[in-house]
Amino acid sequence: DTEVTQTPKHLVMGMTNKKSLKCEQHMGHRAMYWYKQKAKKPPELMFVYSYEKLSINESVPSRFSPECPNSSLLNLHLHALQPEDSALYLCASSQTPEGYGYTFGSGTRLTVV
Amino acid sequence: DQQVKQNSPSLSVQEGRISILNCDYTNSMFDYFLWYKKYPAEGPTFLISISSIKDKNEDGRFTVFLNKSAKHLSLHIVPSQPGDSAVYFCAASVYGGSQGNLIFGKGTKLSVKP
Repeated sequence: DTEVTQTPKHLVMGMTNKKSLKCEQHMGHRAMYWYKQKAKKPPELMFVYSYEKLSINESVPSRFSPECPNSSLLNLHLHALQPEDSALYLCASSQTPEGYGYTFGSGTRLTVV
Repeated sequence: DQQVKQNSPSLSVQEGRISILNCDYTNSMFDYFLWYKKYPAEGPTFLISISSIKDKNEDGRFTVFLNKSAKHLSLHIVPSQPGDSAVYFCAASVYGGSQGNLIFGKGTKLSVKP
């Protein structure tokens, strides 16, 4: 398995909803990442997990809450989002924190209404 | 099969000289190319991008060149500084980068020696 799998592919949620995005990889990668991407812009880093520990939080609002239950799974819990949070959310992983074998998932298209 | 290839796993240059990092791609549908820089235990940081309608984009010490006929792009860093030492990733996508699915190369580790 050489993929990073993200579910769901599309999500529409209201501003009072609680939802979660899921990311899974079975390549034995020990670093995992969440990115947010707006149209026609490069992805912006949100969080980095290194050996299942949160190592980077790029000043992301608390309405986004990451979780790494084990080395294969990464979740992003969403609560009380705003319409401007609508974007493509990308998960990525790499073999090591140095970045070898960097692989992106195909993303979750999130719309906040 | 790798769609984005960085054939040099490492590169060493002297401070003040030019660093040239190369990247080849196979998918002619790619229309948006990016370079990222990565330090250990951090996420990749976006450096510079280029659309397929251009052949050059410059931002300070960083210039990216795109040769569509050769399916080749390169990143030039002039002058190189010790703080530039990092792993550099080339990435490509279709649909102008708005659809995710960034395809990364395996990276080139640049070492700039004082």
